[in-house]
Amino acid sequence: NAGVTQTPKFRILKIGQSMTLQCTQDMNHNYMYWYRQDPGMGLKLIYYSVGAGITDKGEVPNGYNVSRSTTEDFPLRLELAAPSQTSVYFCASNKGDRVKGEQYFGPGTRLTVT
Amino acid sequence: GDSVTQMEGPVTLSEEAFLTINCTYTATGYPSLFWYVQYPGEGLQLLLKATKADDKGSNKGFEATYRKETTSFHLEKGSVQVSDSAVYFCALSVSSNTGKLIFGQGTTLQVKP
Repeated sequence: NAGVTQTPKFRILKIGQSMTLQCTQDMNHNYMYWYRQDPGMGLKLIYYSVGAGITDKGEVPNGYNVSRSTTEDFPLRLELAAPSQTSVYFCASNKGDRVKGEQYFGPGTRLTVT
Repeated sequence: GDSVTQMEGPVTLSEEAFLTINCTYTATGYPSLFWYVQYPGEGLQLLLKATKADDKGSNKGFEATYRKETTSFHLEKGSVQVSDSAVYFCALSVSSNTGKLIFGQGTTLQVKP
């Protein structure tokens, strides 16, 4: 299993541009998450999904959108990029059974908005 | 609301020293508790977990005991190595319906030879 994969690894955007961060998992996990990690800070939840067709906002959803059309994929869309969105973005997945299981993380996408 | 508080870093130790990273939590219900580790340039990896009071999680020489009476889950290792240098995150999960985790701010550990 590749686990959770994210593309691209790095990206530089100009203010006002848009892009999609890709996330795919091959573990057949129901739950998926997007986080951002700012320097010296913990992780903040942007959006999450408990299954295909179901998404919900996390702690910091403004400026982002998501979709979940398949179990495997959970792309994060940035519209009108702003410098405040400069961060490292992590995607994660969780099996989603009734046991409180751990999340599995991708390697991250480092985004700079200038 | 639910929250996790970790000791501030960075923590700098010499090789073979004893490590403690403090973690306390506030939660309603009965959370599961986790320690994640993040090596430079990588994503987070689960280090250990405990799902109920008095459980001890252990992995790679690291240990943490779920203490409900003190709402703590301190991470310990008897003898650290240079390769243990990383950022360590304490986290809790209270919802089995969403699997959401609440993370502490992370503690940077630097181990010197």
